[in-house]
Amino acid sequence: EIVMTQSPATLSVSPGERATLSCRASQSVSSNLAWYQQKPGQAPRLLISDVSTRATGIPARFSGSGSETEFTLTISSLQSEDFAVYYCQQYNNWPFTFGPGTKVDIK
Amino acid sequence: EVQLVESGGGLVQPGESLRLSCAASGFSFSNYAMHWVRQAPGKGLEYLSAISTNGGRTFYTDSVKGRFTISRDNSQNTLYLQMGSLRPDDMAIYYCARAIKGFGGTYLADFWGQGTLVTVSS
Repeated sequence: EIVMTQSPATLSVSPGERATLSCRASQSVSSNLAWYQQKPGQAPRLLISDVSTRATGIPARFSGSGSETEFTLTISSLQSEDFAVYYCQQYNNWPFTFGPGTKVDIK
Repeated sequence: EVQLVESGGGLVQPGESLRLSCAASGFSFSNYAMHWVRQAPGKGLEYLSAISTNGGRTFYTDSVKGRFTISRDNSQNTLYLQMGSLRPDDMAIYYCARAIKGFGGTYLADFWGQGTLVTVSS
């Protein structure tokens, strides 16, 4: 099973600032990497697929990069609605696996 | 509008069974693979199972293999998860999700239902 790790566990950011979230896979997942956002009491929402492709309706301030085992989600200028937990997930090998999440909260 | 509505959750005792349903609307259900994912209270996300468009291929994570069965009824636009031999650590919110094919040919969840809570306790 591919183990996904994320850092930091919590990121405190002021509105308008840039946030950089990291994700690492225990082995190569090629480009089969997604990012999800989850707010309290809500289901996860797909932000990014295939490392860097924004899902429908996702603002351009969200961007993804990386390859093989190292990936990054960048939120260029945090808005109030962006404070949430972010999960990376590999869908290269079954069982698909998620990272433990990064909580982005207000500084 | 795409909708996925899970139902069937509730309180069961250890060792009992439960069947979850996921009613799909707003898209051509039979053209999409489907997934089940769960989230224990206050914890992260865990993939459980996946099923192909016609139900001919199914996948399970080790923790539920032999206890859970995924199935679908394309005539009713409904996905199912039959859960047996339930344990306290199966307690979670269970989400169904629609799956799309990524560039690499494997499938990821692009739209999720709101989930149904399963509680396993004596």
